[in-house]
Amino acid sequence: DGGITQSPKYLFRKEGQNVTLSCEQNLNHDAMYWYRQDPGQGLRLIYYSQIVNDFQKGDIAEGYSVSREKKESFPLTVTSAQKNPTAFYLCASSPRGALYEQYFGPGTRLTVT
Amino acid sequence: QKEVEQNSGPLSVPEGAIASLNCTYSDRVSQSFFWYRQYSGKSPELIMSIYSNGDKEDGRFTAQLNKASQYVSLLIRDSQPSDSATYLCAVSLTGGGNKLTFGTGTQLKVEL
Repeated sequence: DGGITQSPKYLFRKEGQNVTLSCEQNLNHDAMYWYRQDPGQGLRLIYYSQIVNDFQKGDIAEGYSVSREKKESFPLTVTSAQKNPTAFYLCASSPRGALYEQYFGPGTRLTVT
Repeated sequence: QKEVEQNSGPLSVPEGAIASLNCTYSDRVSQSFFWYRQYSGKSPELIMSIYSNGDKEDGRFTAQLNKASQYVSLLIRDSQPSDSATYLCAVSLTGGGNKLTFGTGTQLKVEL
């Protein structure tokens, strides 16, 4: 089955701890994206990557870091510097030449207390 | 002014009616427009894409694009209770790189 997987579905952490969210795709898509969604709000872009070993900051990159060492994988680290990390995190991917068409994984709901 | 605007709703329609969802955007030269459906607690699902002026139909869904007036709409014919969800409009804005800007979504409720 082709698709985008995110793990875990739910994640709980204590304040001050870094946490890494996984995103894997086997669709052979070139571009990958990380968004966060807060209740009643739209999706806000954190980071995106169009090719391996390259990524760009989105609108709310502060307190987050990413890597893109493999085409299939785009993990997101939420650092202790992120002031309000509790949110629903969504990973998406897009094939080359798709005119920005993006497909989403199931999401990870992170709760930091 | 927000770059992509949607009425948050909720928009309530009776079963079998046509639901009309609207989205306006700020960038006159935007090229790509998408509608996503998001059920509560789930991730967004791409349901329609449209790139040129006019209508595009796919089953019960019709996307309408008017670049001169900078709006895109989604019509859902014969609305079903299973269509109850939040609908997100997404637009590729000029100068935004290879990325989309999302509206905050319109909540649709289809009532029996």
